Amino acid sequence: NAGVTQTPKFQVLKTGQSMTLQCAQDMNHEYMSWYRQDPGMGLRLIHYSVGAGITDQGEVPNGYNVSRSTTEDFPLRLLSAAPSQTSVYFCASSYGLGGGAATGELFFGEGSRLTVL
Amino acid sequence: RKEVEQDPGPFNVPEGATVAFNCTYSNSASQSFFWYRQDCRKEPKLLMSVYSSGNEDGRFTAQLNRASQYISLLIRDSKLSDSATYLCVGFTGGGNKLTFGTGTQLKVEL
Repeated sequence: NAGVTQTPKFQVLKTGQSMTLQCAQDMNHEYMSWYRQDPGMGLRLIHYSVGAGITDQGEVPNGYNVSRSTTEDFPLRLLSAAPSQTSVYFCASSYGLGGGAATGELFFGEGSRLTVL
Repeated sequence: RKEVEQDPGPFNVPEGATVAFNCTYSNSASQSFFWYRQDCRKEPKLLMSVYSSGNEDGRFTAQLNRASQYISLLIRDSKLSDSATYLCVGFTGGGNKLTFGTGTQLKVEL
């Protein structure tokens, strides 16, 4: 019963490096999203996708790219890491979101803790 | 102003106490609301949805007041295991997004 799987769980980068956070779900959810969580800021939406081949920006998209070539996978790419991108990143998927309605349950991965030096 | 606002707490309560959290939202177009629970250094998990008529799940009761634009969560007979951060979440259909509050921390003590 894998659910939403994120890798890596921990990563340290130097400023300017690039990397990809991987996210995969095995629940056949059309909706997938990436959030970052920072102290005092709550969870903020970076990018989301309502299906394969469709992506859209969330609240804080700058510095991040996403693609959705399959229903299962939704990788998040940091193009040139900056210290401001030090955060905990959560991938989440849902059955009910994306059609303008919500059953509400977002299933989250365990998070990826990224530190940019 | 944040779209969803919560008192960060912490709320320190003794075991067995009743505790209530409120959350206000600014977007009147928000259609649905939820409470998520997040344990320390873990991922958020859905606790319950919030319906206009109010809903109860065991020791937990959630209510929505659209006129005043707030939702509430009541926890009765608090357990040590209830210690966590409770996230208030609003959904706006037009944007297909869930907006999370910053969370209210609850600490239940012996």
